[in-house]
Amino acid sequence: EVQVLESGGGLVQPGNSLKLSCATSGFTFSTAWMYWYRQFPEKRLEWVARIKAKSNNYATDYTESVKGRFTISRDDSKSSIYLQMNNLKEEDTAIYYCASSFAYWGQGTLVTVSS
Amino acid sequence: EIVLTQSPTTMAASPGEKVTLTCLASSSVNYMYWYQQKSSASPKLLIYYTSSLASGVPDRFSGSGSGTSYSLTISSMEAEDAAIYYCLQLTSTPLTFGSGTKLEIK
Repeated sequence: EVQVLESGGGLVQPGNSLKLSCATSGFTFSTAWMYWYRQFPEKRLEWVARIKAKSNNYATDYTESVKGRFTISRDDSKSSIYLQMNNLKEEDTAIYYCASSFAYWGQGTLVTVSS
Repeated sequence: EIVLTQSPTTMAASPGEKVTLTCLASSSVNYMYWYQQKSSASPKLLIYYTSSLASGVPDRFSGSGSGTSYSLTISSMEAEDAAIYYCLQLTSTPLTFGSGTKLEIK
């Protein structure tokens, strides 16, 4: 059974940092491209970041609004990915989902940026 | 950026009715992916590679299309199909979603 479990969300003040984690099992993690998506309070979905597999040199991509602030990383030995979020803004408030390509999504973790 | 435009924004269908949802891309994409989201749950994959049915998804759901025009069809609406449906393109970054179609049961 495939499992995808996000953690690390919470309430943070603008300008502060937060690190999300995503632990997975049940599929071949080492060859999977992994993604972070987010869903805003009004239900709009947005892709945040992607990290490719070792065979693709762990290449990363980001949506424009988070470039320079967010960093995606992975640890193949732990079948996990991470999202380091710095200089958070109120508009980053959303549910953050971890996903393996298009198929397996987690249940999400809520990030609230507010003073 | 490839913009995905979904239509209709909202619709209601009677049990047994055939439903077709549309997703138009501003540029050609290789494949389209469709997701169903109910209340506070995470999005659930329905269709991948435009027309392949995800595991466990009822066969009343089907997908079709090519280039810039794609559709998701429910052959016979059931009450449990009431949800928001999103399309997603993975062809080029930034990866983009449609704004969703809210489907209600009459």
